[in-house]
Order: sequence, then C-alpha cells, then structure tokens
Amino acid sequence: AQKVTQAQTEISVVEKEDVTLDCVYETRDTTYYLFWYKQPPSGELVFLIRRNSFDEQNEISGRYSWNFQKSTSSFNFTITASQVVDSAVYFCALSEANSGGYQKVTFGTGTKLQVIP
Amino acid sequence: NAGVTQTPKFRILKIGQSMTLQCAQDMNHNYMYWYRQDPGMGLKLIYYSVGAGITDKGEVPNGYNVSRSTTEDFPLRLELAAPSQTSVYFCASSRNTNTGELFFGEGSRLTVL
Repeated sequence: AQKVTQAQTEISVVEKEDVTLDCVYETRDTTYYLFWYKQPPSGELVFLIRRNSFDEQNEISGRYSWNFQKSTSSFNFTITASQVVDSAVYFCALSEANSGGYQKVTFGTGTKLQVIP
Repeated sequence: NAGVTQTPKFRILKIGQSMTLQCAQDMNHNYMYWYRQDPGMGLKLIYYSVGAGITDKGEVPNGYNVSRSTTEDFPLRLELAAPSQTSVYFCASSRNTNTGELFFGEGSRLTVL
C-alpha cells in the first residue's frame, strides 16, 4: 500500500524567510511519480511539479525548489524568500499503477503555510 | 479555456435526500476522478474512470455512485445523503498516461443537515 506523510500540519514564517515542507512516501513499486500541489485560500488545487522515480535531480523554478532523495523516500519542497502569496495548503502526492495498470494518486494530509508580512 | 467544470459550487441537503454533482472537462482526458476533502484529512479518492463506460472504486466509495457515458462528463451521485458526506468534493482529470498531472475543478461544498 502506498502512503504519503506530511508531518508538518501548519507552519508560520515571516515574509522573506526560507521554508521547507517535508514529504515522506512509502511504495513497493520501482516506478512511481511524485507531485506537489498548492491549494490557496480560494480553494482550487494547482499543480506545481511532477518527478518520476528515476530522476533524482533537484529542480528549481524561481523561488521554488524540490529535493528528491530515494534513499530516504523524501520529496521536500523549499520556498526561498517567502511571500504572502505563498500562503496556502501544500499537498504532496504519490502516483503508481494499481493492479489494473491505472494511475492511482494518493495525497498527503497537507501542510498549511502562513506567511506573515 | 474551461478545463474542469463542477456544478454546483455549494449545496445544502437534508438527510436522506439525493443529488448529483456534475463534472465536465473539455481537454479530451481519458482519466477522471472524484475526491473528497475533509478538514485536515487531505484528499480521498471516491471513484475514478479510465474512459467512457469504465469506472472503478477508490478508497471511500460507499454512499456514492458514478457513471461515465461520455469522455467529457463524470457525474457523482449521492443516493441517501448522510451527515458524514458533508465535505468538499473535487473532480479532476488527467491525460492517458500514468504520469499526467491532475487538473482539478474548483470544488463543490456539500453540507448535509
């Protein structure tokens, strides 16, 4: 069974601070995909990044960066120089094929980030 | 670009009533999903579909039914509403492969009293 753990329920930082959101996953598959989604206060879910299990290169997109480490089954998300607009709930998700070969996505419980001006 | 459209956005039901949450996507995605989001609990998969005429249960299917007669539409039916079904419901779609990102609708907030 696959599982995604986001141990940090809520985090508060002051604007311009860096913040890292942790994600630990469990899977028996060798091929899987990891995602991060953002849910701002308006409620919609926005895709941020996808990473497959064979690509452990870190990725940077502007102020966002992701650190994927298979050795520790972690896929952490760092926001550099946080801004008030980063305030949201962030979800980590894991995708693997179930027995029928179909995509099954499991979400973590989310981390609520509050950036204080 | 409409993407994934859900209706209604808000609804209050009485215990035992029935209703259908509508979901439509215009991206020609084969995969479609219904999730529910309870406070502090993340998203739980209710049902999913890999194409017209094919549906399957997710983690929490009890009390719900779905159908997929067309590629575009994936309605979620609640037959006998119960307070435990009070939640925010999200419809999502993705491309054919196992690697695709999910495109979400704006959500439907359902309250059962």
